[in-house]
Amino acid sequence: DTGVSQDPRHKITKRGQNVTFRCDPISEHNRLYWYRQTLGQGPEFLTYFQNEAQLEKSRLLSDRFSAERPKGSFSTLEIQRTEQGDSAMYLCASSFGGGANYGYTFGSGTRLTVV
Amino acid sequence: KNEVEQSPQNLTAQEGEFITINCSYSVGISALHWLQQHPGGGIVSLFMLSSGKKKHGRLIATINIQEKHSSLHITASHPRDSAVYICAVIEGNTPLVFGKGTRLSVIA
Repeated sequence: DTGVSQDPRHKITKRGQNVTFRCDPISEHNRLYWYRQTLGQGPEFLTYFQNEAQLEKSRLLSDRFSAERPKGSFSTLEIQRTEQGDSAMYLCASSFGGGANYGYTFGSGTRLTVV
Repeated sequence: KNEVEQSPQNLTAQEGEFITINCSYSVGISALHWLQQHPGGGIVSLFMLSSGKKKHGRLIATINIQEKHSSLHITASHPRDSAVYICAVIEGNTPLVFGKGTRLSVIA
């Protein structure tokens, strides 16, 4: 297993366009998390899944954002009608269970720039 | 919601110096992570602590659960240690709550 993979690594898009990011977690992990990190800040929680069920969504996740994990494996995060304020690093992480001792692993992130 | 504070925000050190980065949090936790992030890169987990002390190479992490405080120490610092170090806490089954990070620059 090569860890948590995110694709693409970088995305530049024009304001108003839709973008979709993909995350492939570690195969044994049943939990998958999405975080957003802006410059100079720590990551902020967006949403997470246990298997295919989306268990929690942050109020940061406006109605322009949607996340899916259809088969409990990979996940996609879509942003519709992108705005300049959406420019950030989008990080995915996975773990087994949800407790502290289960191999929390991060991907390399997708850096989004909205121009 | 847990509030995670790190200090200092920025730190510049000469190669070879002993470095300490601090993290405090407001609500009891089940574990604390120290993470490393290089420019443009993803996040790597350095330590996960629920009590006591852990050591890995030149890195040492300690936690005091009663005082809600953790420290990350780097001995004999090197320019390749330059990165952002982030503290993150977890309560039970909740997602991680992150500090803003400490940007470390080690100068040769």
